Amino acid sequence: GAVVSQHPSWVICKSGTSVKIECRSLDFQATTMFWYRQFPKQSLMLMATSNEGSKATYEQGVEKDKFLINHASLTLSTLTVTSAHPEDSSFYICSARVSSGNTIYFGEGSWLTVV
Amino acid sequence: QKEVEQDPGPLSVPEGAIVSLNCTYSNSAFQYFMWYRQYSRKGPELLMYTYSSGNKEDGRFTAQVDKSSKYISLFIRDSQPSDSATYLCAMSTINTDKLIFGTGTRLQVFP
Repeated sequence: GAVVSQHPSWVICKSGTSVKIECRSLDFQATTMFWYRQFPKQSLMLMATSNEGSKATYEQGVEKDKFLINHASLTLSTLTVTSAHPEDSSFYICSARVSSGNTIYFGEGSWLTVV
Repeated sequence: QKEVEQDPGPLSVPEGAIVSLNCTYSNSAFQYFMWYRQYSRKGPELLMYTYSSGNKEDGRFTAQVDKSSKYISLFIRDSQPSDSATYLCAMSTINTDKLIFGTGTRLQVFP
């Protein structure tokens, strides 16, 4: 299947700092990418949908100024958690929709721990 | 009522058993149905993708969609301990990219 790469796989940061997570589609172009967060033993919660070259669409309750999303190219989207706090500690997962179809592939996820 | 309902389990079966995983949904506009497998601390992996009703088979996995009953299933034949994971159903309508997920069913296959 198609490969979606996330980096870093895990990161520990101090409270108040910002962290950037990258999501890359390695072998296909993705006009649309999605960002999720997942708490332990819970399902994925969609945070935002990003389309290449335009502003992201955030789900209700997600602070767009805190979770900055940039989708600068057809193969790269980034999520920046700004002024991170311990409650932002979570598993963040991106997915990408193949431009030529409807299949959506997920990255391996990024564990964020804010101390 | 949630749009997609899925029993969280855990479902524990012996190796070699046939596993049946199910989801029900309420939105009749859903047309795309997917099953993902998620190992602990990893991202979801696409297992099966089905458009509209019918069956689809891939190796030991069979996906079924019954739109009249708003019910989808994933069958795993000859289950293996390596199948132990959380299985998430997901679906979307024809005019949106957004996936609506079930809560996931945790499957344990013991030797």
